[in-house]
Amino acid sequence: GAGVSQSPSNKVTEKGKDVELRCDPISGHTALYWYRQSLGQGLEFLIYFQGNSAPDKSGLPSDRFSAERTGGSVSTLTIQRTQQEDSAVYLCAGRGRNTGELFFGEGSRLTVL
Amino acid sequence: GQQLNQSPQSMFIQEGEDVSMNCTSSSIFNTWLWYKQDPGEGPVLLIALYKAGELTSNGRLTAQFGITRKDSFLNISASIPSDVGIYFCAGQPDSNYQLIWGAGTKLIIKP
Repeated sequence: GAGVSQSPSNKVTEKGKDVELRCDPISGHTALYWYRQSLGQGLEFLIYFQGNSAPDKSGLPSDRFSAERTGGSVSTLTIQRTQQEDSAVYLCAGRGRNTGELFFGEGSRLTVL
Repeated sequence: GQQLNQSPQSMFIQEGEDVSMNCTSSSIFNTWLWYKQDPGEGPVLLIALYKAGELTSNGRLTAQFGITRKDSFLNISASIPSDVGIYFCAGQPDSNYQLIWGAGTKLIIKP
């Protein structure tokens, strides 16, 4: 597609359940980021994939969070045993080669009851 | 670690007024980016700056890459209702490093 696609756009889940959030970046974008944005707040870095290099996981808040990127394109962010404080919008962004510009998806809004 | 200070946190302005916001960093950046986020959307790139001293316009928006490489400002002239939203600055120390983000400036236009 022309832009970054994220799914689901909205997810409501019960505390303790696992969730998977998907990001389909723009074709050719070698770098992919996941951010978390709580209501009215800024962007919290979670994880960064760059080509075939080991991902930068330094922003993941706990071991309940993990992400993978298959074949250098689609990425999945998994949150295990969700907690209410995980409720936020999860944003995915891609970046082309030799540029600092990120292109964001519309986000996945997660609500943990 | 590297930090970005973005100010002001929020602005209440009248339609037609000019707006100015800025970001300062504790270290040198080689890229500055300005994004706008509308409710329920992801941030959208407004202006990208790659050289110290660079002044770039995009319609009513003007941004500058500070000569010290530690700051940048964004100006919006003659604001209109659709300018409301949250504006984020982001900087990159070098091309192999992730972006560092400001906390955002929320722009609200008084009716």
